[in-house]
Amino acid sequence: AQSVAQPEDQVNVAEGNPLTVKCTYSVSGNPYLFWYVQYPNRGLQFLLKYITGDNLVKGSYGFEAEFNKSQTSFHLKKPSALVSDSALYFCAVRENQAGTALIFGKGTTLSVSS
Amino acid sequence: NAGVTQTPKFRILKIGQSMTLQCAQDMNHNYMYWYRQDPGMGLKLIYYSVGAGITDKGEVPNGYNVSRSTTEDFPLRLELAAPSQTSVYFCASSYSASMNTEAFFGQGTRLTVV
Repeated sequence: AQSVAQPEDQVNVAEGNPLTVKCTYSVSGNPYLFWYVQYPNRGLQFLLKYITGDNLVKGSYGFEAEFNKSQTSFHLKKPSALVSDSALYFCAVRENQAGTALIFGKGTTLSVSS
Repeated sequence: NAGVTQTPKFRILKIGQSMTLQCAQDMNHNYMYWYRQDPGMGLKLIYYSVGAGITDKGEVPNGYNVSRSTTEDFPLRLELAAPSQTSVYFCASSYSASMNTEAFFGQGTRLTVV
């Protein structure tokens, strides 16, 4: 069965500093990996995804993520955090097999202080 | 383009009452999902559907039912509401031609069972 782990409930960074939000996954086949962001009282918004190819994926709002197959990780990164990046971030995985669903981690709250 | 539309946005139910959470998408997506979000627990998959007439259980299906008579609609039914079903419910959809497409989310339904 596929699963996703986000080991940190909360990440705190100062504005202007780099940020990393961690994600590890478990699937039996090749994974499709996604990051979503949720602002208060809103639905989830897609940030970026890894399908195949380059291990460094660039997405919306200056975010990027690095796929590491040997460590089964897909960490979200941004070189310089903004206060407006403060939100709840979800990692999700889908197995490359027809009929499988999108499975989410429990989420990591990112707090960027000014 | 409306995307994924959920109704109602808020609802208070008494224990034992029933209700249907509506979800409609206008993107001709085959895959549709229902998730519930509880604080610190992330998104748990309740049910999903890979096309009209096909539904499957997710991680937490007990107490819920779904149907998928059309591509556009994927209603979630609560037959005998319980306080444990107090949560925020999200509907999502994705295109099924390949497994690598991202899901689009509705704005959520906040349900309280008292």
